[in-house]
Amino acid sequence: AAGVIQSPRHLIKEKRETATLKCYPIPRHDTVYWYQQGPGQDPQFLISFYEKMQSDKGSIPDRFSAQQFSDYHSELNMSSLELGDSALYFCASSVGGGGETQYFGPGTRLLVL
Amino acid sequence: AQSVAQPEDQVNVAEGNPLTVKCTYSVSGNPYLFWYVQYPNRGLQFLLKYITGDNLVKGSYGFEAEFNKSQTSFHLKKPSALVSDSALYFCAVRAPDQTGANNLFFGTGTRLTVIP
Repeated sequence: AAGVIQSPRHLIKEKRETATLKCYPIPRHDTVYWYQQGPGQDPQFLISFYEKMQSDKGSIPDRFSAQQFSDYHSELNMSSLELGDSALYFCASSVGGGGETQYFGPGTRLLVL
Repeated sequence: AQSVAQPEDQVNVAEGNPLTVKCTYSVSGNPYLFWYVQYPNRGLQFLLKYITGDNLVKGSYGFEAEFNKSQTSFHLKKPSALVSDSALYFCAVRAPDQTGANNLFFGTGTRLTVIP
């Protein structure tokens, strides 16, 4: 079965650079969630979109922005990167704004030097 | 506010023995409860969920969990552990009756090691 696709899988950036992470949800899933998992930590919710509109907002820094496009894929844009942004970034998708089960992608590992 | 507690950072069990990974939650209203497993350098894999109905839910790979409302617990269990079950397990809760209802709140994770 098709799963959530994230690209790139690994990314190395320098401080103050920008990064864009992409997420392609499972076909027919209309809701996308972004989570950040720091080293040795649990995933923390950043932001979500349902039908191309922002549905919930968590602990996403102001330096980050995201959007969901007409084909339901989503992009997380990260600017003025800091060392502390180094983490595993997960995208998850579900069906419907109140979707019960979120299916996670493999994650993008971001390293900021 | 909703929260999840996994009181054990590490659980060790011998292969073939039953395993339990504990989870308790705090949420207003009716919780949606989930278990995910994470293998090294991999994403989170959905194992099972409780939404409503029978308190005992069965999931992937022979895992099951029991929802206990009075104890606000949702412990993960398996009758006979396999070495391949060794991984990091996360319990998560959604609070559909509250603001921010659709995102998951995760516990801190429990590392399960099954000893051959």
